Amino acid sequence: RKEVEQDPGPFNVPEGATVAFNCTYSNSASQSFFWYRQDCRKEPKLLMSVYSSGNEDGRFTAQLNRASQYISLLIRDSKLSDSATYLCVVTYSGGYQKVTFGIGTKLQVIP
Amino acid sequence: DGGITQSPKYLFRKEGQNVTLSCEQNLNHDAMYWYRQDPGQGLRLIYYSQIVNDFQKGDIAEGYSVSREKKESFPLTVTSAQKNPTAFYLCASSIVQGGEQFFGPGTRLTVL
Repeated sequence: RKEVEQDPGPFNVPEGATVAFNCTYSNSASQSFFWYRQDCRKEPKLLMSVYSSGNEDGRFTAQLNRASQYISLLIRDSKLSDSATYLCVVTYSGGYQKVTFGIGTKLQVIP
Repeated sequence: DGGITQSPKYLFRKEGQNVTLSCEQNLNHDAMYWYRQDPGQGLRLIYYSQIVNDFQKGDIAEGYSVSREKKESFPLTVTSAQKNPTAFYLCASSIVQGGEQFFGPGTRLTVL
């Protein structure tokens, strides 16, 4: 089983729709979780950290479910500009802070 | 403006040549990282450094070398021993190892 798994998609959704991505992780000792956004042929950019209590930033909501070992990203009222690949990142401490990136989920918002 | 710079943006080299990719940050971050990204694949860690004069191998270090003589700089050398060097190389930094990472714009290396 991969350390971090994401559905690569693509998810094709109409403008204004709500879309959710999940990311599962295998190491129960994982400590920190992040969502990054990567546009085509560009570098990843931090979208938001994921806190145990869940957190929201405008149209974006991130949740952590430690019991089932997954994190989620919800995007409400999708915009064309949300089209990108969304990377899940998990870190855990195993003598050093190991950082693992998921393969990413591609989102295409359609007019 | 604080940030991470990588140069060059595009790099072409002949097979068998070593090449060094530059990465500089002025964020005063202790930790720096090098990743490789191939089409349709996730980021794979090549090397990381938690502090000046210290660095550790990542998951795919074979055929690569790094140095960390200054806090701001973490150059990556792609040696001729790297079997398939053509890829998108990304440098990142974080305040501490395992923290939120900030990426440079990347270098696309093509070996002919």
